[in-house]
Amino acid sequence: GDSVTQMEGPVTLSEEAFLTINCTYTATGYPSLFWYVQYPGEGLQLLLKATKADDKGSNKGFEATYRKETTSFHLEKGSVQVSDSAVYFCALGGNNRLAFGKGNQVVVIP
Amino acid sequence: SAVISQKPSRDICQRGTSLTIQCQVDSQVTMMFWYRQQPGQSLTLIATANQGSEATYESGFVIDKFPISRPNLTFSTLTVSNMSPEDSSIYLCSVTQGMKTQYFGPGTRLLVL
Repeated sequence: GDSVTQMEGPVTLSEEAFLTINCTYTATGYPSLFWYVQYPGEGLQLLLKATKADDKGSNKGFEATYRKETTSFHLEKGSVQVSDSAVYFCALGGNNRLAFGKGNQVVVIP
Repeated sequence: SAVISQKPSRDICQRGTSLTIQCQVDSQVTMMFWYRQQPGQSLTLIATANQGSEATYESGFVIDKFPISRPNLTFSTLTVSNMSPEDSSIYLCSVTQGMKTQYFGPGTRLLVL
């Protein structure tokens, strides 16, 4: 079945550092891909999405490109802020069902 | 995107009791879902709430434990029945809008003692 794999472990980095969170997927067909963010004590917010190969989703300085050849959707941000500290989830699917990765906690230190 | 609210936002319950969680959307939506997020874990789909018919449950989830109602296109409830400490989780509802995109409510944080 469809599945998503995120890199292991939390990510700790300094303010203004470059952030990359890896996400790879296995899917039949052509799913949409998503990044959701969960700030402490809150629900999930849609961060960005891409609906077809080579699409780039972007929001709040974050970017991710739907790479069909490498089955990846890595999240990047050029200069993180303390306010970006959160858990980030990669997901694939669409109307009927979303498959989530395990999530990565990102801690940004001033 | 739709504005989704959940009640209660959090609760502490005794084992053996039941809790009903409400999900309200500010516009009519076709698809509504209920997810569980156990402590430190990712999200797991419990069921799809179908308007006018029985919910569609995922493997490992049953109606007796998680009865769901969907009386109209803007409202749904999830009941967690006969609770045990293992039911301590965040419960989230979501809706689909636009092209294959799900939006989530703020979640209900449940602690069962």
